[in-house]
Amino acid sequence: DADVTQTPRNRITKTGKRIMLECSQTKGHDRMYWYRQDPGLGLRLIYYSFDVKDINKGEISDGYSVSRQAQAKFSLSLESAIPNQTALYFCATRGFQETQYFGPGTRLLVL
Amino acid sequence: AQTVTQSQPEMSVQEAETVTLSCTYDTSESDYYLFWYKQPPSRQMILVIRQEAYKQQNATENRFSVNFQKAAKSFSLKISDSQLGDAAMYFCAYRRRYGGSQGNLIFGKGTKLSVKP
Repeated sequence: DADVTQTPRNRITKTGKRIMLECSQTKGHDRMYWYRQDPGLGLRLIYYSFDVKDINKGEISDGYSVSRQAQAKFSLSLESAIPNQTALYFCATRGFQETQYFGPGTRLLVL
Repeated sequence: AQTVTQSQPEMSVQEAETVTLSCTYDTSESDYYLFWYKQPPSRQMILVIRQEAYKQQNATENRFSVNFQKAAKSFSLKISDSQLGDAAMYFCAYRRRYGGSQGNLIFGKGTKLSVKP
């Protein structure tokens, strides 16, 4: 079984809709991250969490919110989706020697 | 602010040959980690290799090795005996060692590697 899972794997939505991307991990790591990947731009950090009560904004947090429901669960929400939020979204955890372990990604298309 | 630069958007290598992917970074820190991640068409991000800045010895993982030049702030990835399965996007990444809330992973924009049979 995968250590970091993301649901859904693919999602198509319409402008203005609220959507949630979910991430679960079985690695027992405290630190979790949400990234966005756009072609030619690499990965950029949206939000990160050091534990359930510690959530921080990343480089590009505008238009997004997160919820850390438990050590193992970290959800990303788009309150009102817009087309330029079309991207590949990754959840990650951080373990030994700063190594990050990524989920399989969620491909989001906003029409 | 720290930055990571991958100057080769695309590279190509013949199967069984050797290829080197370049990465440079800018930081004022003396202690940090560097990483290479691979992203195949499946889009999964896979850790290839990790280097700790305080270690002078270059990291190796089977056919993958790095050339870490701390003074030059260079961190290149060498892939020996290239295989078709090595075809992927490769991302270089940096993280300061003692970052707290400031020490997040910073990625380059990636190099797309093609492997010719």
